[in-house]
Amino acid sequence: GENVEQHPSTLSVQEGDSAVIKCTYSDSASNYFPWYKQELGKRPQLIIDIRSNVGEKKDQRIAVTLNKTAKHFSLHITETQPEDSAVYFCAATAGNKLTFGGGTRVLVKP
Amino acid sequence: NAGVMQNPRHLVRRRGQEARLRCSPVKGHSHVYWYRQLPEEGLKFMVYLQKENIIDESGMPKERFSAEFPKEGPSILRIQQVVRGDSAAYFCASSPGLAGTSTDTQYFGPGTRLTVL
Repeated sequence: GENVEQHPSTLSVQEGDSAVIKCTYSDSASNYFPWYKQELGKRPQLIIDIRSNVGEKKDQRIAVTLNKTAKHFSLHITETQPEDSAVYFCAATAGNKLTFGGGTRVLVKP
Repeated sequence: NAGVMQNPRHLVRRRGQEARLRCSPVKGHSHVYWYRQLPEEGLKFMVYLQKENIIDESGMPKERFSAEFPKEGPSILRIQQVVRGDSAAYFCASSPGLAGTSTDTQYFGPGTRLTVL
């Protein structure tokens, strides 16, 4: 089955700096890669996703890149703000069963 | 514009009791998924259902756990004879089941936090 590894597990950045989170996956058949943001005690919220027919997708301060050959994908947050502090999860799937990474706790220091 | 609804939001049970968790998907969504999240951990897939059918239950423990998504009403995740290790947040997600799309976007509910005493 699919296995997703996520790094780093914690990330502390200064407000205004960029944050990068990286994930690798094992199943070459995976074709959908969403990213979720989860604040303490809240539901996971989809922030961006990418499908295997594109290599990069951007939405304002958030971008995701995908390298299918190397089987890795990354989340980039630019101009970080304190409200970006949360746990971020990557996921991968070839069907409808999402396999999640272990999460990255991001702390944006004002 | 109601999203995925789950109830109860918090549930306390004693060891040996039954826990029944309910999930109402986004209106018009026909696919439901259940995930479990242990404290300080990621989400683990449990089961994927469509109306009246279990499509994939590869993440469900073999005993005590069952799920259904009837023709009418919410999806139910049922845990019989709960043990302390069942304490976790249980999240439901739904997707529209779009024709021609191999993978739908999943939207999550607020979760049910189960505590087993």
